[in-house]
Amino acid sequence: QKEVEQNSGPLSVPEGAIASLNCTYSDRVSQSFFWYRQYSGKSPELIMSIYSNGDKEDGRFTAQLNKASQYVSLLIRDSQPSDSATYLCAVNQMKSGYALNFGKGTSLLVTP
Amino acid sequence: SQTIHQWPATLVQPVGSPLSLECTVEGTSNPNLYWYRQAAGRGLQLLFYSVGIGQISSEVPQNLSASRPQDRQFILSSKKLLLSDSGFYLCAWSSGVDTGELFFGEGSRLTVL
Repeated sequence: QKEVEQNSGPLSVPEGAIASLNCTYSDRVSQSFFWYRQYSGKSPELIMSIYSNGDKEDGRFTAQLNKASQYVSLLIRDSQPSDSATYLCAVNQMKSGYALNFGKGTSLLVTP
Repeated sequence: SQTIHQWPATLVQPVGSPLSLECTVEGTSNPNLYWYRQAAGRGLQLLFYSVGIGQISSEVPQNLSASRPQDRQFILSSKKLLLSDSGFYLCAWSSGVDTGELFFGEGSRLTVL
């Protein structure tokens, strides 16, 4: 089983700070990478996708990909208490009907 | 726009009872469909996927089964539930390409007593 690894946290940051979430993956054939946000008791919602090395910005979110290092990260600028959630890193398995392989998630707490 | 719905949202079942969870997708045709399970403190585990009507692939051996009787309908079933079947069950769809994003339904929380 190819792995997607994340630090479980919790990661605590003050309101207005930058939150940095990291993820490593083991399957070198993976080409598509995603970040999901999951509030407690709710289903995951997609917040970012990234396919090429480098940075991709969308509002307060920036995804970073380094395929050589097999590393994906998510930066959240100007963190808000409403960003408090579990963030799941996901990697396309390139098999199993293009299902995604998920990490266990990092819990983020933004304190006012 | 595409939407995905699953039901029931919550259920409590005794050990040995049957199970049926249903999921439907609207606004797209021929989607890839998936069932995941999220157990307490664990990650999302892929249970089944389907690339077309009647085509079901299982990722893990278990007492669960899945069916796809229509293009946009996906059903998860069990004849006899085990305690270990408790968890948060999530249906998802994608367009079925390598860059395709997965979109989840609201989830069904199952407690087996």
